[in-house]
Amino acid sequence: AQSVAQPEDQVNVAEGNPLTVKCTYSVSGNPYLFWYVQYPNRGLQFLLKYITGDNLVKGSYGFEAEFNKSQTSFHLKKPSALVSDSALYFCAVRDTNTNAGKSTFGDGTTLTVKP
Amino acid sequence: SQTIHQWPATLVQPVGSPLSLECTVEGTSNPNLYWYRQAAGRGLQLLFYSVGIGQISSEVPQNLSASRPQDRQFILSSKKLLLSDSGFYLCAWSVRASGRLIYEQFFGPGTRLTVL
Repeated sequence: AQSVAQPEDQVNVAEGNPLTVKCTYSVSGNPYLFWYVQYPNRGLQFLLKYITGDNLVKGSYGFEAEFNKSQTSFHLKKPSALVSDSALYFCAVRDTNTNAGKSTFGDGTTLTVKP
Repeated sequence: SQTIHQWPATLVQPVGSPLSLECTVEGTSNPNLYWYRQAAGRGLQLLFYSVGIGQISSEVPQNLSASRPQDRQFILSSKKLLLSDSGFYLCAWSVRASGRLIYEQFFGPGTRLTVL
């Protein structure tokens, strides 16, 4: 069975500083990994995904993520945080066994960017 | 462009009452559809998914059910709500995977359900 872990419930950074939100995964076979963001009382929005290819994936709003196969990690990063980046972030791994496209989500990490 | 709608946005229901939440997708055909529940603003629990009309798969045993009467319509129902059914319900869709193409999910705005 596949799983995703987000070891930090909360990440606090100052505006302008780099940010990292951590994610580790466990799958059998090739990992298909995603990051989503959720603002209060809203649905999730897709940020980026890793399917294959370059280990550094670039996504929306200046976010990027680094896939590390040996460490089974897919950390989300941004060089310079904005206050508006404050939100709940989810890492997800897709089920590769079916075409149903099911994904397993982590428990989420709350990012707070302080001015 | 594709759009996903959910309604109602908020709902307060007494214990034991029925439930019907509706989700519709525009601008795409043959999507995979999903119902999630999010408790206390944290992790998502997949409740149901569907790969086609009338095809429903349940992920967890519970007093909820789902139906897909049309290609782009997904309905979440209950005959009798429990207190534990309170939560934030999210509908999502994705393009059906084709070969090595893997697609992300697109989420609706959600329904906040409070069972009293």
